Amino acid sequence: DGGITQSPKYLFRKEGQNVTLSCEQNLNHDAMYWYRQDPGQGLRLIYYSQIVNDFQKGDIAEGYSVSREKKESFPLTVTSAQKNPTAFYLCASSIRNSNQPQHFGDGTRLSIL
Amino acid sequence: GQQVMQIPQYQHVQEGEDFTTYCNSSTTLSNIQWYKQRPGGHPVFLIQLVKSGEVKKQKRLTFQFGEAKKNSSLHITATQTTDVGTYFCAGPPGSQGNLIFGKGTKLSVKP
Repeated sequence: DGGITQSPKYLFRKEGQNVTLSCEQNLNHDAMYWYRQDPGQGLRLIYYSQIVNDFQKGDIAEGYSVSREKKESFPLTVTSAQKNPTAFYLCASSIRNSNQPQHFGDGTRLSIL
Repeated sequence: GQQVMQIPQYQHVQEGEDFTTYCNSSTTLSNIQWYKQRPGGHPVFLIQLVKSGEVKKQKRLTFQFGEAKKNSSLHITATQTTDVGTYFCAGPPGSQGNLIFGKGTKLSVKP
């Protein structure tokens, strides 16, 4: 079955620590995205990538970093500079560009210890 | 900045009642997409509307895209407990923009 796999499902971060959230897709999609979802809020775009080795900042990129070394993978690092990282993080992918419907992973819930 | 507003934020209905959520954009959208997120789950794509004035149906769900391509609605007839979740609209402003998501309407259905 094709899909998007996010891991881990739950993650706890200590103060001053960087953590990396994994996102892998086997849908052969060119575009991948990272969103942050807070309770009662919509999805806010952190970073997106439309092609390997290229990515762009979204609306709330500060305190986050990404890489896109392979088409299938788009890991997100939450750095210690992100002072309020507790949220639900969703990875998504779509065919070619951001106009197309997006397929989401199951998400990672990040909390502060 | 560009915004997509959704109302209401919450809706509580008795099973069998109808439900409608409305989506309004501050700019013209090239298309409108609707997603459903079950409690504890992830958003799942429901439908995409592209044409001005377009209406699409999926069983008890009816989706409309406004004539000016700045608003949309989702109507559910005779809600069931399986309809519980948060419904999001999303649209890209222009042909190259990223999706902008509304904050969603959380639907609860009392059996």
